[in-house]
Amino acid sequence: GENVEQHPSTLSVQEGDSAVIKCTYSDSASNYFPWYKQELGKRPQLIIDIRSNVGEKKDQRIAVTLNKTAKHFSLHITETQPEDSAVYFCAASTAGSARQLTFGSGTQLTVLP
Amino acid sequence: DTEVTQTPKHLVMGMTNKKSLKCEQHMGHRAMYWYKQKAKKPPELMFVYSYEKLSINESVPSRFSPECPNSSLLNLHLHALQPEDSALYLCASSQVGREYEQFFGPGTRLTVL
Repeated sequence: GENVEQHPSTLSVQEGDSAVIKCTYSDSASNYFPWYKQELGKRPQLIIDIRSNVGEKKDQRIAVTLNKTAKHFSLHITETQPEDSAVYFCAASTAGSARQLTFGSGTQLTVLP
Repeated sequence: DTEVTQTPKHLVMGMTNKKSLKCEQHMGHRAMYWYKQKAKKPPELMFVYSYEKLSINESVPSRFSPECPNSSLLNLHLHALQPEDSALYLCASSQVGREYEQFFGPGTRLTVL
């Protein structure tokens, strides 16, 4: 089955700096890669996703890049703000199949004011 | 309505109690999920219902009993739980065939004494 590894497990940045979280996956059949943000005590919320036919996707201060050959994808947050502090999970799945999401282990991002 | 709702928000129960968690969605999704999540860990899939039938049981102990009475409702019946079952229980839903695109509820914070 699919295995998703996520690094780092914790990340602290100064407000205004950039943050990068990296994930690798094992199954070359995976073609859908969402990122979830989960604030303390709240539900995971989808913040951005990318499919394997695209190398990069951007939404305001958030971007995701995908290297299908190396089987890794990354989340980039620019101009970080204190409200970006949360746990971030990457995941992998196969769009068009009944395969479930496989989550990474999570990254606790802390943005210091 | 684009939300998944869950009740109760918090639940404290003893090891001999019987309680139920409820989940509801009105997005017309015919796939519904129960996840268990420990603090700062990724959600762990427990059960999947597709068209109101149980399609996946991830070897969950029988003290957890899911039920899908109709296409909008999903229940999780709890009996004789252990303290290690204390966690956030998340419900999610998706369209069948789009299992990679799941919408999460806010969760029920369960404490077993």
